[in-house]
Amino acid sequence: ETGVTQTPRHLVMGMTNKKSLKCEQHLGHNAMYWYKQSAKKPLELMFVYSLEERVENNSVPSRFSPECPNSSHLFLHLHTLQPEDSALYLCASSQELASGPTDTQYFGPGTRLTVL
Amino acid sequence: AQTVTQSQPEMSVQEAETVTLSCTYDTSENNYYLFWYKQPPSRQMILVIRQEAYKQQNATENRFSVNFQKAAKSFSLKISDSQLGDTAMYFCAFHATGGAQKLVFGQGTRLTINP
Repeated sequence: ETGVTQTPRHLVMGMTNKKSLKCEQHLGHNAMYWYKQSAKKPLELMFVYSLEERVENNSVPSRFSPECPNSSHLFLHLHTLQPEDSALYLCASSQELASGPTDTQYFGPGTRLTVL
Repeated sequence: AQTVTQSQPEMSVQEAETVTLSCTYDTSENNYYLFWYKQPPSRQMILVIRQEAYKQQNATENRFSVNFQKAAKSFSLKISDSQLGDTAMYFCAFHATGGAQKLVFGQGTRLTINP
């Protein structure tokens, strides 16, 4: 496989469930990102990881818990979500966090999450 | 804080026509990058074109070109000879070269190319 992959592609969960989203990048990148894409709103950056260290938490509620075990994998653990958390969750990666031509982020296909 | 505004929620044109998508941004930074991303229906978001703010020459990628007006903080995307496969959501995005490493997106423009 190439690029950035995400699983599952679709997820329906109840408010009391615990689930995890997985992202894997096959590009040898060092930075990974979680975004939330809601209808009629700009993409919202949730978390940024560089070399497996979290460098940004964009005021995300604690019911979202990221994990980056290595530079190729990124997880988003979900628990006690609310219906308003229903959205498309996108993962992205870039070569580095530093500025320059390596700024370009490559996106996965997303996980469409529905919270009932 | 940086903001990105796309004033056209939806646009549609006929195949082979030229279409221009608008984007304006607000920043106090002097060095930054601007991007246009394309998100086809149910498909992955991909980079269309990138512009570095210190370069005066407008970026081009085949049928895609930008009109970058730094003083006006405007960054429009022109698609020439539009094709059915250009149908997608288009997002304008901003990334400062220093400080917070954050890609800031606009709300998107839904572009439909009609046969």
